[in-house]
Amino acid sequence: DIQMTQSPSTLSASVGDRVTITCRASQSISSWLAWYQQKPGKAPKLLIYKASSLESGVPSRFSGSGSGTEFTLTISSLQPDDFATYYCQQYNSIRGTFGQGTKLEIK
Amino acid sequence: QVQLVESGGGLVKPGGSLRLSCAASGFTFSDYYMSWIRQAPGKGLEWVSYISSSGSTIYYADSVKGRFTISRDNAKNSLYLQMNSLRAEDTAVYYCARVPASVYWYFDLWGRGTLVTVSS
Repeated sequence: DIQMTQSPSTLSASVGDRVTITCRASQSISSWLAWYQQKPGKAPKLLIYKASSLESGVPSRFSGSGSGTEFTLTISSLQPDDFATYYCQQYNSIRGTFGQGTKLEIK
Repeated sequence: QVQLVESGGGLVKPGGSLRLSCAASGFTFSDYYMSWIRQAPGKGLEWVSYISSSGSTIYYADSVKGRFTISRDNAKNSLYLQMNSLRAEDTAVYYCARVPASVYWYFDLWGRGTLVTVSS
């Protein structure tokens, strides 16, 4: 199976900061990568698909980039609602695998 | 309203069985592949199973193959997961999720989940 590794595991930031989360795949996945946001006790929410395509309704401060094995999720200016856990997921293979998550905390 | 609502979770003893259901509304259920994904307490996400729009194509994670069975009833807009021979490590919140297109295996709509606890 393709392994997905996110970094950092925890990120402390302030409202207004620009933050970047990295996701690395154990082999090339082209651009078949999605990003999700999950808040405590809630279902994950799709933010980005195909590495850089913004899901409808998601604020434009979220952006994704990358291809091959290295990908990033960037939030241009953190809002209070953005403090959550973020997961990447590869879907290059039918057995899509998720990263371990990055918890974004308030500094 | 476009939504997925899971039900059927609960406490079950190791070796026991449970059947989860997911009711879909607000979209044409029969047009979409569907999936189950789980999340153990305090852990990350793990894909469990996919089923094609017609139900003719099914995939399972190795961790559940031979024990879990996914199915659907398009007339009832419902997805199911029959879980047999349950183990402690199957304890998790189980989410049903929609796959936006048959070749793009990500998830654009999720339910709120149902908790399955396997314990004696």
